[in-house]
Amino acid sequence: DTAVSQTPKYLVTQMGNDKSIKCEQNLGHDTMYWYKQDSKKFLKIMFSYNNKELIINETVPNRFSPKSPDKAHLNLHINSLELGDSAVYFCASSHQANEQYFGPGTRLTVT
Amino acid sequence: GQSLEQPSEVTAVEGAIVQINCTYQTSGFYGLSWYQQHDGGAPTFLSYNALDGLEETGRFSSFLSRSDSYGYLLLQELQMKDSASYFCAVRGVDKIIFGKGTRLHILP
Repeated sequence: DTAVSQTPKYLVTQMGNDKSIKCEQNLGHDTMYWYKQDSKKFLKIMFSYNNKELIINETVPNRFSPKSPDKAHLNLHINSLELGDSAVYFCASSHQANEQYFGPGTRLTVT
Repeated sequence: GQSLEQPSEVTAVEGAIVQINCTYQTSGFYGLSWYQQHDGGAPTFLSYNALDGLEETGRFSSFLSRSDSYGYLLLQELQMKDSASYFCAVRGVDKIIFGKGTRLHILP
């Protein structure tokens, strides 16, 4: 009965590869998010979807493409991975944006 | 521009009270939230203020002054398990911004 789940938990890959991270929430929330947390712990929003529609799209390279097949899922696909993409990626969901529930995170390491 | 400022580190003694401040600058304001994150863990929601005043949830309280664009998180009866990073976050117009986090160190 995990609220927000992400897979995989760890992802190690080489530069230039394409990878995906999956996220699912069973809280019945309408809004889902992707965040990137860098090595300095700075948490920055990347995307937000409400009922499968993109509502926030921060300045993120277009190598990052979110996909929301339904309101319980928000996946993140990353093309042509770069060293600077190494970070922890958190998925979150909320009913109201001021109270978000985060997944356990995916630690991405690009070598 | 839009920004949040909070201290990078705070140190306090077990059993004491500590206050973590947050000042913000946003276009549009829908509330100030606080999150706790332990090392290796995910952020977890602590509290939310949309209106001026103090909100209390157990040992934690959060305060907001919209006129001063300022808020704080108050932690009472500190326990060692409270050692973590604390983030303030605001939602503006089509924006969600997190502060850079305050690392709370607790001494026995």
